[in-house]
Amino acid sequence: DQQVKQNSPSLSVQEGRISILNCDYTNSMFDYFLWYKKYPAEGPTFLISISSIKDKNEDGRFTVFLNKSAKHLSLHIVPSQPGDSAVYFCAARSSGSARQLTFGSGTQLTVLP
Amino acid sequence: SQTIHQWPATLVQPVGSPLSLECTVEGTSNPNLYWYRQAAGRGLQLLFYSVGIGQISSEVPQNLSASRPQDRQFILSSKKLLLSDSGFYLCAWSVWMGAYNSPLHFGNGTRLTVT
Repeated sequence: DQQVKQNSPSLSVQEGRISILNCDYTNSMFDYFLWYKKYPAEGPTFLISISSIKDKNEDGRFTVFLNKSAKHLSLHIVPSQPGDSAVYFCAARSSGSARQLTFGSGTQLTVLP
Repeated sequence: SQTIHQWPATLVQPVGSPLSLECTVEGTSNPNLYWYRQAAGRGLQLLFYSVGIGQISSEVPQNLSASRPQDRQFILSSKKLLLSDSGFYLCAWSVWMGAYNSPLHFGNGTRLTVT
């Protein structure tokens, strides 16, 4: 049972345009959501997060949007750069849980020069 | 600053052989420690987590085990590897912030190939 789903395994975007990565979840107990970025042969690195009490969080070129009623979140990258090419994982957790994160299966973003 | 070390970076082992992957964290005390696995074309699967020395929680019953002999040391082991154990293994840490955990910080991973 996949509680966090990333239905697009890959996405290609032209440099300078917007990249939109999507994520859906099923567990209504999730109250904190994160995006991680992973390069080949490296561990994932934390990118941006959002609490369920917000619907938007912005950090430079990266913005995460949360739609609780639809159980959907998205990551927007504007403008996209070739160095953004990586696998992006969506993750979610319940409050007070040491069990930590449930990850999606990832989306490979390729930014074309 | 905190750092996490994971080794080896790559490992090729025959079926039936034992496994020991080690992870250490520096610069923080009493971290929560985690082992994840990324199988080819799949997401990150939590295998084990630990909130303290000697405390191990298993998320997925399988051919692997974990131990935490010291506060900042986490070991992933197997007595006999299976072909299906091949994958990319990631160690991670977080700290408890009072009401929630900090984001996970990952090591660089170990690519394990079982032949």
